[in-house]
Amino acid sequence: RKEVEQDPGPFNVPEGATVAFNCTYSNSASQSFFWYRQDCRKEPKLLMSVYSSGNEDGRFTAQLNRASQYISLLIRDSKLSDSATYLCVVNQPDTGRRALTFGSGTRLQVQP
Amino acid sequence: EAGVTQFPSHSVIEKGQTVTLRCDPISGHDNLYWYRRVMGKEIKFLLHFVKESKQDESGMPNNRFLAERTGGTYSTLKVQPAELEDSGVYFCASSQDLARGTQYFGPGTRLLVL
Repeated sequence: RKEVEQDPGPFNVPEGATVAFNCTYSNSASQSFFWYRQDCRKEPKLLMSVYSSGNEDGRFTAQLNRASQYISLLIRDSKLSDSATYLCVVNQPDTGRRALTFGSGTRLQVQP
Repeated sequence: EAGVTQFPSHSVIEKGQTVTLRCDPISGHDNLYWYRRVMGKEIKFLLHFVKESKQDESGMPNNRFLAERTGGTYSTLKVQPAELEDSGVYFCASSQDLARGTQYFGPGTRLLVL
């Protein structure tokens, strides 16, 4: 079983749509959670950290459910520029290990 | 502020040859990480430096891979001898010395072993 599981997609949505991505992680010791965005042939870039209480950044909302080991990302009012691969990422800094564990990513294509 | 830089951007070599990848982290970042993505797989951790010391090298696949960070600034990752399965994108990332410091990624080196 992969440590971080994501639906690979692709998710094809029209501009203005709301889309949600889900992710599950297997290591209950995970303490930090992130969504990274990766454009084609580019490096991953941090989109947002995910906090236990849930957090919002503009059109993006992230939620964490520790009991279910489940993370979500909601994108409202999708823009063409949101087209990218969204990577669910976890780590366990409290164990002293700083390495990030990546999911394989969910591809989003926003269409005009 | 300059971001993480990597050199070269692309490298095509033959099986059995040696390749050295370089990473320059963001200035002042003590933590430097190497990751790689092979075709069709997720990005996987290779190793982590704190300054010049290897903090965690649990992700290094085998002894054909050698990473160094002399002086605690830039780092090199040498693959010798390269095998076909080493093909992929090698990313470097750096972070400040914080418990949950954000890792900033470089543009990656695309390695193709023929």
